[in-house]
Amino acid sequence: AQKVTQAQTEISVVEKEDVTLDCVYETRDTTYYLFWYKQPPSGELVFLIRRNSFDEQNEISGRYSWNFQKSTSSFNFTITASQVVDSAVYFCALILMNTGFQKLVFGTGTRLLVSP
Amino acid sequence: ETGVTQSPTHLIKTRGQQVTLRCSSQSGHNTVSWYQQALGQGPQFIFQYYREEENGRGNFPPRFSGLQFPNYSSELNVNALELDDSALYLCASSFPSGGGQETQYFGPGTRLLVL
Repeated sequence: AQKVTQAQTEISVVEKEDVTLDCVYETRDTTYYLFWYKQPPSGELVFLIRRNSFDEQNEISGRYSWNFQKSTSSFNFTITASQVVDSAVYFCALILMNTGFQKLVFGTGTRLLVSP
Repeated sequence: ETGVTQSPTHLIKTRGQQVTLRCSSQSGHNTVSWYQQALGQGPQFIFQYYREEENGRGNFPPRFSGLQFPNYSSELNVNALELDDSALYLCASSFPSGGGQETQYFGPGTRLLVL
């Protein structure tokens, strides 16, 4: 079975601090995709990044960066110089590539509170 | 914005009633997935429709059913509502290019409250 664990339930930081959100996943498959989504209070899940299991290169997009390590089954997300607008619930998710359909398996989410 | 729309935004029903939720997918997307998100939890996969056929289902009872139309919009129907069905229902659309790597883009959701 597949599982995604986000051990941090809630993180509070002050604006301009750096923050890392942890994600650990479990799967027996060797081919899969990992995702991060942001859910603001409005409820809509906003896609942030997709990474396949064959590509362990880290990625940076503006203030966001992602660290994928297959050896530890982790896909962590760092926000540099956090801003109040980053306040949201962040979800890590997994899709297996070799099934007949695409089912996202989500973690329980990490609520990030950025105060001014 | 993703271009995925859902209606209604909020809904209140009583136990035992039936409800229909609607989703319009992003232009060009032929696959729609439905998820249930209980308060404080991650979304749980209900089912997925591809070209008007259900091609995958999660651990939800048969009283959760769906439809996809030729224009790829979709409906989620829930019969015999229970209190535990109170949740945010999210629709996501995607365009499968093979292998499962396609990204699912979500709508704003429908908040259902069952009293």
